[in-house]
Amino acid sequence: DVKVTQSSRYLVKRTGEKVFLECVQDMDHENMFWYRQDPGLGLRLIYFSYDVKMKEKGDIPEGYSVSREKKERFSLILESASTNQTSMYLCASSLDTLAGGPGELFFGEGSRLTVL
Amino acid sequence: AQTVTQSQPEMSVQEAETVTLSCTYDTSESDYYLFWYKQPPSRQMILVIRQEAYKQQNATENRFSVNFQKAAKSFSLKISDSQLGDAAMYFCAYRVPYGGATNKLIFGTGTLLAVQP
Repeated sequence: DVKVTQSSRYLVKRTGEKVFLECVQDMDHENMFWYRQDPGLGLRLIYFSYDVKMKEKGDIPEGYSVSREKKERFSLILESASTNQTSMYLCASSLDTLAGGPGELFFGEGSRLTVL
Repeated sequence: AQTVTQSQPEMSVQEAETVTLSCTYDTSESDYYLFWYKQPPSRQMILVIRQEAYKQQNATENRFSVNFQKAAKSFSLKISDSQLGDAAMYFCAYRVPYGGATNKLIFGTGTLLAVQP
C-alpha cells in the first residue's frame, strides 16, 4: 500500500513564526501536492511538484513556499505564519508523470495548524 | 476555468438505506476524469470511485456507483445499503488527463454524510 506520512498531526504556532510541514511518500511517485482544507471551501491547491526541485504554484500560493530536494519528500514552508493560515493541510502524491496517468491521489492524514 | 459544485453541504441516511450525493462540474474539455473521495473523521482521504469521461458505462465499486451524465455535466454518487462506516465527508473532484503542470485535481466543497443507526 502507498503510504504518505505527514510529520505532525497537530501544530500550534505563534504569528510570525516560521513553520515547516513535512511530507514523505514511499512509492516513488513523481508528483506531490500540498492542499489546504477549510470548511465550506473544500480543498485548494497551494503548490505541487512533478519532479525533484521542480515546483508549480497552485491556486493559493501566497504566503507559502515549498521544497523538494528528494523525490520522496515534499515540504511546505510558512515563512511568517499568520492567523489566516490556521487550517488543515493535506499532502498527497500520485503515480502520474508528465505524460499523464490515472489521476488518483494518495493522501496523508493531514496536519492541523493553529496560528495564535 | 473548471469548477466543481457540490450543492448539499450535509446529508443524512438511515443504516441499510440508499443515498445519492450530487456533483456538477463545468468544463470545456471533452476528455477528463471524475472522482469521489471519502474523508472519514480524523482519518486520511481515500478514493472511492473513478470515472473516465470517454466511458459511457457508469463506474461501480461494490456498494458505490455513479450516475455520470456527460451532457448535463453531472456526476452523482449512490451509496447502497449504507453502513455506519460510510459516515464521512465526501468530495467530488475533476481532472484533465494530460500530464505536466495541468495534472491537478479540482475539488468541490464536500458533502458531510451522517449515517443513522
